[in-house]
Amino acid sequence: AQSVSQHNHHVILSEAASLELGCNYSYGGTVNLFWYVQYPGQHLQLLLKYFSGDPLVKGIKGFEAEFIKSKFSFNLRKPSVQWSDTAEYFCAVNPGTYKYIFGTGTRLKVLA
Amino acid sequence: KAGVTQTPRYLIKTRGQQVTLSCSPISGHRSVSWYQQTPGQGLQFLFEYFSETQRNKGNFPGRFSGRQFSNSRSEMNVSTLELGDSALYLCASSPVAGGNYEQYFGPGTRLTVT
Repeated sequence: AQSVSQHNHHVILSEAASLELGCNYSYGGTVNLFWYVQYPGQHLQLLLKYFSGDPLVKGIKGFEAEFIKSKFSFNLRKPSVQWSDTAEYFCAVNPGTYKYIFGTGTRLKVLA
Repeated sequence: KAGVTQTPRYLIKTRGQQVTLSCSPISGHRSVSWYQQTPGQGLQFLFEYFSETQRNKGNFPGRFSGRQFSNSRSEMNVSTLELGDSALYLCASSPVAGGNYEQYFGPGTRLTVT
C-alpha cells in the first residue's frame, strides 16, 4: 500500500539551528509532493510543493525541500530556524490520483 | 476570497448517535476532500468529491459517508458513533480533482464522542 513515513515525530531545536525533517514515500511511479505546516491554533497551510523540474524547491518562510527520486525522499530543510517556526509539519504525496497520502507529522519546537 | 469554512467547529456527541459535518469550499473550487486527524496518526484520508461524485475513498468503515451538492458544498456523516471517532475532521478544497493542485484546508470540526 502507498504510504508516507516521517521518521522524526518530535524535534526540539534552539533558534538559529539548522533543520532537516525526513519524508519517505512508497510509490514507484510519478508523484506530486507537498509539505504542509500547522501552526498552533491555525489551519494547515502549504509550505511548498514539487510537481516536476528542479528537484530543489523553495517555499515560504525560507523553507526548501529536495526531491531525491532514487531514495523516494522529499526532505524539508531550513538553514536557521526561528521561534515562530514552532509547528507541526506534514509531508504529503499524491500519485496523480484523487487521494492525498499524509505522513503522521513532525512536531517541531524551537526554543528561544 | 473567503477560505474554506466548516461547521460546526466543536461538537460533543454520545456513543451510538450520528453526526453531520458541513464544509463550504473556496468559491470556484469543485473538489472537496475530508480527513480525520488524530494525534500520532496524522491525517487519514476519508474521501474526495468532485462534481457531486465520490472519486476516491479511504479505509474507513461504511459508517462514514459523505456527499457533495451542486454548489460544491459537502457534508460528511458518521453514524453509530464510537469513542474512537473522536478527532479533528478536516475539509480541504482545490480547484479541480487530482494531484496537481494544492489543497486549501478549513479550520476543522473537533468531534468528541463520550
